[in-house]
Amino acid sequence: GQQVQQSPASLVLQEGENAELQCNFSSTATRLQWFYQHPGGRLVSLFYNPSGTKHTGRLTSTTVTNERRSSLHISSSQTTDSGTYFCAIANYGNEKITFGAGTKLTIKP
Amino acid sequence: NAGVIQTPRHKVTGKGQEATLWCEPISGHSAVFWYRQTIVQGLEFLTYFRNQAPIDDSGMPKERFSAQMPNQSHSTLKIQSTQPQDSAVYLCASSFRDRGHAEQFFGPGTRLTVL
Repeated sequence: GQQVQQSPASLVLQEGENAELQCNFSSTATRLQWFYQHPGGRLVSLFYNPSGTKHTGRLTSTTVTNERRSSLHISSSQTTDSGTYFCAIANYGNEKITFGAGTKLTIKP
Repeated sequence: NAGVIQTPRHKVTGKGQEATLWCEPISGHSAVFWYRQTIVQGLEFLTYFRNQAPIDDSGMPKERFSAQMPNQSHSTLKIQSTQPQDSAVYLCASSFRDRGHAEQFFGPGTRLTVL
């Protein structure tokens, strides 16, 4: 089945630094989503980004489908960015998504 | 738009009891998905429906888990004879599909604790 590898597993930064999260997947995906989850909170969709680059606020997602990778860039990080970020993908013909193990991001003041 | 609604938010059952979890998808969404989340296993797919029809239940434990979608406004996940290993956060998601775009939106989850 589809495999999703996220790196790093955890990342600790000072407020104001930039964060770069990586996602690699085992076969060509048709749908890729990035989610954010605060401890005890719901999964919040950040990007639906099967290919190309998308921006929202301080966040940028770039997916290169034929290289089977995606990245999530957070610029000028804030303490409120702390939480776990998940990459999730679905294969062509089936809508179920497979999640990576997540990257736990901690932003220190 | 209230988003995906899940009830109850927390449920505690004794070993061997039944648990029924409810999900109300976003109005107009035609697909409903069930996942569960544990510290050890992470996020796992269970089953999904499109236009109320079951499409894929490959993640469902076969013997005690069942899911239904009797109408377009709600889905249920039933766990019979609950076991401690069923303790998890059960997540429901819904999506619409528009020319290949199929973004999923998640509810807050139901935290099931089996004593």
